Amino acid sequence: GAVVSQHPSRVICKSGTSVKIECRSLDFQATTMFWYRQFPKQSLMLMATSNEGSKATYEQGVEKDKFLINHASLTLSTLTVTSAHPEDSSFYICSASTGVGGYTFGSGTRLTVV
Amino acid sequence: KQEVTQIPAALSVPEGENLVLNCSFTDSAIYNLQWFRQDPGKGLTSLLLIQSSQREQTSGRLNASLDKSSGRSTLYIAASQPGDSATYLCAVTNNYGQNFVFGPGTRLSVLP
Repeated sequence: GAVVSQHPSRVICKSGTSVKIECRSLDFQATTMFWYRQFPKQSLMLMATSNEGSKATYEQGVEKDKFLINHASLTLSTLTVTSAHPEDSSFYICSASTGVGGYTFGSGTRLTVV
Repeated sequence: KQEVTQIPAALSVPEGENLVLNCSFTDSAIYNLQWFRQDPGKGLTSLLLIQSSQREQTSGRLNASLDKSSGRSTLYIAASQPGDSATYLCAVTNNYGQNFVFGPGTRLSVLP
């Protein structure tokens, strides 16, 4: 079946540094990928929609200059959290449409900023 | 704007009980609805996907129903086991290829 590989699964970084999270579709082409985040005890919320070859579409309240999304190929989308702060600590997860009505999710990345 | 709610927020039951988790959505014009399981600190496991034209899906001890007109879905878990303990998320998409809107989840504890 369609698989999305997400790395890293866990990352701890110092405040002020940047962290890159990768989502790669292994056996299908993902024209569109979605990035979600989940704060503790809250639901998953869409951050942005990543479209191959074009700029991402960000949800209201998500800073596009802080959360850089690159979708340069049909199999790879990256989310870079720039100048991370403790309040950015969260669970980040990507998903992609498999093109047949289904969706596949990555395994998620737990980011802790200290 | 689509909103998804789930009741109850938390549920604790003894092993062996049958239980029902509820999901409601405000915009009935959905493309599909999906139930997920999330274990603490882990990613999502897809349980059941119901297309808008379907009324239910079954997988093992799980049965999910969909009533689009009333904006409701239920997840029925038969003969619950301690291994079923997790947070169950309901999510909908409004169009093909669009993002999911997630509910807040129901945190289930099945006691041995």
